[in-house]
Amino acid sequence: NAGVTQTPKFQVLKTGQSMTLQCAQDMNHEYMSWYRQDPGMGLRLIHYSVGAGITDQGEVPNGYNVSRSTTEDFPLRLLSAAPSQTSVYFCASRSISQGQGDGANVLTFGAGSRLTVL
Amino acid sequence: QKEVEQDPGPLSVPEGAIVSLNCTYSNSAFQYFMWYRQYSRKGPELLMYTYSSGNKEDGRFTAQVDKSSKYISLFIRDSQPSDSATYLCAMRNSGGYQKVTFGIGTKLQVIP
Repeated sequence: NAGVTQTPKFQVLKTGQSMTLQCAQDMNHEYMSWYRQDPGMGLRLIHYSVGAGITDQGEVPNGYNVSRSTTEDFPLRLLSAAPSQTSVYFCASRSISQGQGDGANVLTFGAGSRLTVL
Repeated sequence: QKEVEQDPGPLSVPEGAIVSLNCTYSNSAFQYFMWYRQYSRKGPELLMYTYSSGNKEDGRFTAQVDKSSKYISLFIRDSQPSDSATYLCAMRNSGGYQKVTFGIGTKLQVIP
């Protein structure tokens, strides 16, 4: 059981380049999300999805696109990278159930993707 | 004002000390309260999870939720150098589609 897998772990881009951060989970979680983490800012939600074909914006969506064609995958696209997008990106997923049991509904995070935009 | 407030620290304590980490929040609809631990250059991992008010204990860790004061705490007893990490509080409303809101995280260092 791999959990949440993110690739690549590290990436350096030049301003204006595009790239896709990959996220895959094998827990059959309906909910998937992307966060960025910056010093002094904490984790901020970029985009999220509650199922295949359904996505919505989070707190800081500008400059990022997402799609969800399968339950397992939720890629994050940077169409024209900017230095302000230098950050550590985390993908996280969870089950959407109405239960209150331990471990239910809590986010499981990937190991992160460290992106530098020059 | 942020929905969730957390002192970023850093907090430095000697080994064996009792550590108290806290968050306050403004959204009275929050029902799920979580604490995540994040080691340097790693992803956050779930430490404790509480639904609604009350206390929960797991080994050296105790999570408390006081909804009347909109205040949550994490206590670490007999702290160890391996507890050195950033601790993030997180919370959300009930309902399966609700987003999670995180505190900024408190950096803890336990000195041997």
